[in-house]
Amino acid sequence: GQNIDQPTEMTATEGAIVQINCTYQTSGFNGLFWYQQHAGEAPTFLSYNVLDGLEEKGRFSSFLSRSKGYSYLLLKELQMKDSASYLCAVRDGDYKLSFGAGTTVTVRA
Amino acid sequence: IAGITQAPTSQILAAGRRMTLRCTQDMRHNAMYWYRQDLGLGLRLIHYSNTAGTTGKGEVPDGYSVSRANTDDFPLTLASVVPSQTSVYFCASSDQGGDTGNEQFFGPGTRLTVL
Repeated sequence: GQNIDQPTEMTATEGAIVQINCTYQTSGFNGLFWYQQHAGEAPTFLSYNVLDGLEEKGRFSSFLSRSKGYSYLLLKELQMKDSASYLCAVRDGDYKLSFGAGTTVTVRA
Repeated sequence: IAGITQAPTSQILAAGRRMTLRCTQDMRHNAMYWYRQDLGLGLRLIHYSNTAGTTGKGEVPDGYSVSRANTDDFPLTLASVVPSQTSVYFCASSDQGGDTGNEQFFGPGTRLTVL
């Protein structure tokens, strides 16, 4: 099985940078995903890492270290619309995802 | 239809009733999934199907059943609902396999309340 940990809540100011950490212990690893979920809506895909290193996509970047069982999602130039929950998910060899409980990010003016 | 749809949007029903949540995708994805989302627990996998005609159990399968008669549809049946099944249910699909990320796409969810 998978054990995935991420902080429950984070607060940041508009225009700032926030880093959401995710640690995992797995019985099999086939990639790590980050999803964004606004309140009352479905999760939407943000990023995917399968190799060590940084993946950059606009204001969002995601990092993976497989040896440390660690990932982070970096949100830059925060906007009010970035207030949402961010879900870390690990995929196993059978292509099933296990999700962390999610980190609620609140962006304040 | 564009993407993945779920029905109903929400439902309130008495304990002991039978309920089927519907899920349809038009992306020709081979894999489909059912999750429940509860406050503080995140998304938990109930059942999944890697291809039409096959299904598998996830983390929390008890009290739920699924079928996958074709590529597009993946209904979730609760034979006799109990209050602990009050949750938001999400269906998802993905184009499994290959070298790409093959991310899962989620439907809008069904909010189920069992009294």
